Amino acid sequence: SQTIHQWPATLVQPVGSPLSLECTVEGTSNPNLYWYRQAAGRGLQLLFYSVGIGQISSEVPQNLSASRPQDRQFILSSKKLLLSDSGFYLCAWSVIPGETQYFGPGTRLLVL
Amino acid sequence: GQQVMQIPQYQHVQEGEDFTTYCNSSTTLSNIQWYKQRPGGHPVFLIQLVKSGEVKKQKRLTFQFGEAKKNSSLHITATQTTDVGTYFCAGRELGSGAGSYQLTFGKGTKLSVIP
Repeated sequence: SQTIHQWPATLVQPVGSPLSLECTVEGTSNPNLYWYRQAAGRGLQLLFYSVGIGQISSEVPQNLSASRPQDRQFILSSKKLLLSDSGFYLCAWSVIPGETQYFGPGTRLLVL
Repeated sequence: GQQVMQIPQYQHVQEGEDFTTYCNSSTTLSNIQWYKQRPGGHPVFLIQLVKSGEVKKQKRLTFQFGEAKKNSSLHITATQTTDVGTYFCAGRELGSGAGSYQLTFGKGTKLSVIP
């Protein structure tokens, strides 16, 4: 069966520090991958999606970037974190673009 | 761009009462999906509707897709404390453009159940 992992589970970082969040999917090939951010008590904001290795589409211009170095690995990065980057970061995958998405456990990021 | 509106934002019900959340899209959808996020957890897929006017049931949950494929509803009969969480709808825009590669999520309805 397919599983999706995210780490770390929680992270507290100072303003201006770099960020690297990792997401990996097991048990499937060529997944469509997504990064979402969820602010406290809010909905899901799509940040990036990828339909293949090295293919990244950005939905919201911001302080973050994404990379997909391997088929089942998706990384979210920042060179310098802002206070507004705090939130719950969720990685998800789907077999078909725009179809059922399966979410990872998420990373709670607090920028101080 | 496509917008998905979900109402109400919050709903408090007494255990045993019914609950309904509504989802409306600004554009025609190829499908609508519903997810549940428990407090402190991540969204979990519940169901996908594809056909116009489709109705699906999962025990006490009834999901409906509108005839015009622009709206949907989730109805829970006789709520229980295990139903607590935020319910999100998500729609995929009909067509072959970039929008069809992604789901647009509503902001969710947070359900509280008073024992």
